[in-house]
Amino acid sequence: EDQVTQSPEALRLQEGESSSLNCSYTVSGLRGLFWYRQDPGKGPEFLFTLYSAGEEKEKERLKATLTKKESFLHITAPKPEDSATYLCAVQAMEAGGTSYGKLTFGQGTILTVHP
Amino acid sequence: KAGVTQTPRYLIKTRGQQVTLSCSPISGHRSVSWYQQTPGQGLQFLFEYFSETQRNKGNFPGRFSGRQFSNSRSEMNVSTLELGDSALYLCASSLELWDRGPGTEAFFGQGTRLTVV
Repeated sequence: EDQVTQSPEALRLQEGESSSLNCSYTVSGLRGLFWYRQDPGKGPEFLFTLYSAGEEKEKERLKATLTKKESFLHITAPKPEDSATYLCAVQAMEAGGTSYGKLTFGQGTILTVHP
Repeated sequence: KAGVTQTPRYLIKTRGQQVTLSCSPISGHRSVSWYQQTPGQGLQFLFEYFSETQRNKGNFPGRFSGRQFSNSRSEMNVSTLELGDSALYLCASSLELWDRGPGTEAFFGQGTRLTVV
């Protein structure tokens, strides 16, 4: 069974204090790993897709990396507006079944950035 | 380009009633998936539709059902509501055509907050 574990559960940073969020995953075959940002009461907002080990993607203060067992979301010099829950999800090859539309999500990391 | 639209945003229903939620995907997207989000279980996959056909289904009871129309709009229905059905229901659309290549990113709507009393 596919599993996604995110750590830490919550992270409090001062503005400008860089850090990383971790996403560990176990899948039979990875079709893609996705990072989302979710603000309270809203739907997840797509950030990045990673497909293979060694791949990196960047967007403003965020950089996502992928290995065969985990992904990191690095946040450089965060600002208060980066405060949100960050979700990691995998889409996997399903043995004996289909993976259409099915993302397996981690529980998320709640990031709070203080000014 | 317009995003995924879900209606209504909020619903309050009584136990035993049924409810229908609606989702309009991004123009050109034919794959629509539904998820349930609760504080305890996080985001869980309900089902996926493409060209009016259900292609995949998660581990939810038969009280949860859906359908898709020829314009790709989708509805989700929950019958005989239980207190535990209170959740944020999210719809996502994507360009996913087949399930053996690189995954395709899904774009979510704002969700429908269902409260069962």
